[in-house]
Amino acid sequence: DTEVTQTPKHLVMGMTNKKSLKCEQHMGHRAMYWYKQKAKKPPELMFVYSYEKLSINESVPSRFSPECPNSSLLNLHLHALQPEDSALYLCASSQAAGVGYTFGSGTRLTVV
Amino acid sequence: GIQVEQSPPDLILQEGANSTLRCNFSDSVNNLQWFHQNPWGQLINLFYIPSGTKQNGRLSATTVATERYSLLYISSSQTTDSGVYFCAAARWGAQKLVFGQGTRLTINP
Repeated sequence: DTEVTQTPKHLVMGMTNKKSLKCEQHMGHRAMYWYKQKAKKPPELMFVYSYEKLSINESVPSRFSPECPNSSLLNLHLHALQPEDSALYLCASSQAAGVGYTFGSGTRLTVV
Repeated sequence: GIQVEQSPPDLILQEGANSTLRCNFSDSVNNLQWFHQNPWGQLINLFYIPSGTKQNGRLSATTVATERYSLLYISSSQTTDSGVYFCAAARWGAQKLVFGQGTRLTINP
């Protein structure tokens, strides 16, 4: 299995909703990442988990809450988002040294 | 931190043409990757190439680490090659890949 699977593919949520994005990989990768991508821009790193521990938080607002329940799963919990948070959210995984980066197909999030 | 610059920002070609995309980086890196993002948003890892030359079908890449640049070559372009090509780099042991702004490639039939 050489894939990173993200669900859902599309999500529309109101500013008072709570939702979660899910990401799963079975490549034995020990680093997992959340990126945010706005239209016509490169992906921007949000969080890095290494060996299931949060190792990088790029000063992301607390309305985004990551969770790594085990080495194969990564969640991003969303609460009280703003319309400007609408974007493509990408999950990725890699070997611990950043080799073999593999991205999921993303969740296209719209906040209304 | 590392700065990554890509050129050209946009490239429009006819099917069958060859193209060269460039990536310059500001510091020594030991992780340099090329990605293709298709029109549906999927990012595909094309090459992990911190130095040297690699080839995969019609695509090849060369990184000259001492001169801090990498080149991606696409030969005999097809319409399915359209999309955005990103170069991304990181220093040794760093998990944060720094992305360039991308080159938007359009291949017309």
